[in-house]
Amino acid sequence: QKEVEQNSGPLSVPEGAIASLNCTYSDRGSQSFFWYRQYSGKSPELIMSIYSNGDKEDGRFTAQLNKASQYVSLLIRDSQPSDSATYLCAVNVLTAGNKLTFGGGTRVLVKP
Amino acid sequence: DGGITQSPKYLFRKEGQNVTLSCEQNLNHDAMYWYRQDPGQGLRLIYYSQIVNDFQKGDIAEGYSVSREKKESFPLTVTSAQKNPTAFYLCASSTRSEQFFGPGTRLTVL
Repeated sequence: QKEVEQNSGPLSVPEGAIASLNCTYSDRGSQSFFWYRQYSGKSPELIMSIYSNGDKEDGRFTAQLNKASQYVSLLIRDSQPSDSATYLCAVNVLTAGNKLTFGGGTRVLVKP
Repeated sequence: DGGITQSPKYLFRKEGQNVTLSCEQNLNHDAMYWYRQDPGQGLRLIYYSQIVNDFQKGDIAEGYSVSREKKESFPLTVTSAQKNPTAFYLCASSTRSEQFFGPGTRLTVL
């Protein structure tokens, strides 16, 4: 079983719709959770961090964390063609220091 | 202008050669990391360093070596022992848990 799992996609959404991305993790000791956006050929860019159960909103992005169910999700509201990218979920386990474990990423395509 | 720089952007290596990838940061971050990304894949940790003069192997350290003589610098050497080195190499740094990435180096073996 992979430590951090994501659906590889592609997730195709019409412009203006909500894109919903999910990520599950196996280590119950996980403390910190991150979403990165990666455009083709570019390096990952941190877009959201979440540390406690519940929702965290930042502009059009909302991260949702449920530690009991071991999943973290990312919602992208009013999706734009510029949101077309691969979204990587990353998880930090306290006992592993500052190391992150990454999922394989979900490719999102926003169609005009 | 704070950030993480990696050089070169593109690197071509002949089989049997060692090559060194540069990573520099001026963010005053203690920890630095090297990842490898293959096409359509996530990131895999090669080496990481939490303080100067100390580093640890990640999940795929075989065929790679690093040094951390200065806080700002964390070069990665891809040795001839790495059998399949063609990949996108990413350097990152962090203070607490948030990691930030450099622009990456794309290595191709000819």
